[in-house]
Amino acid sequence: KNQVEQSPQSLIILEGKNCTLQCNYTVSPFSNLRWYKQDTGRGPVSLTIMTFSENTKSNGRYTATLDADTKQSSLHITASQLSDSASYICVVSIFDSWGKFQFGAGTQVVVTP
Amino acid sequence: DAGITQSPRHKVTETGTPVTLRCHQTENHRYMYWYRQDPGHGLRLIHYSYGVKDTDKGEVSDGYSVSRSKTEDFLLTLESATSSQTSVYFCAIGQGEAFFGQGTRLTVV
Repeated sequence: KNQVEQSPQSLIILEGKNCTLQCNYTVSPFSNLRWYKQDTGRGPVSLTIMTFSENTKSNGRYTATLDADTKQSSLHITASQLSDSASYICVVSIFDSWGKFQFGAGTQVVVTP
Repeated sequence: DAGITQSPRHKVTETGTPVTLRCHQTENHRYMYWYRQDPGHGLRLIHYSYGVKDTDKGEVSDGYSVSRSKTEDFLLTLESATSSQTSVYFCAIGQGEAFFGQGTRLTVV
């Protein structure tokens, strides 16, 4: 059973608008949570990393939040651009288990002019 | 792409034939991984390596084998390709964070 669930599966937004992606996880013990961006035909690239004690982290127009108590994370994209069209993947790492990454299935974002 | 090169980038092969995918890194990283990515699924770990000649199975290892004779190279072999192994394969390196290659699109017909 996938321990990382993302929603929605896909969404379409107009250029310039904001959107929020969700990630719920049951992975335990938790080490950190990353959001990756995957452009079509390319490998995933890390956007943000959050540890247990962090609630918010920004990377330009991307802002990630983490609620470790409810095991939920979100990725907010502000003032979307066409280049934001991609799949966004939530990845949770297991504490003290190198390489033990649990991947969500991703949210496909399409930004239209 | 963090100095990771996958080859080939695309391959079409017939059922029952052996296939080897190569991952080459220039980061001198100890840990390397092979994942497959299929629609509706997250990236799934096939095999991983924690050093030269040190490898172990991931969650979807059936039908796959790996070898690592040098730090920089991690090979994934499909001994006898099946249609269910049609997928996009990603190599990654890293410990606390995974850095991915560009992927290999494999089609088994």
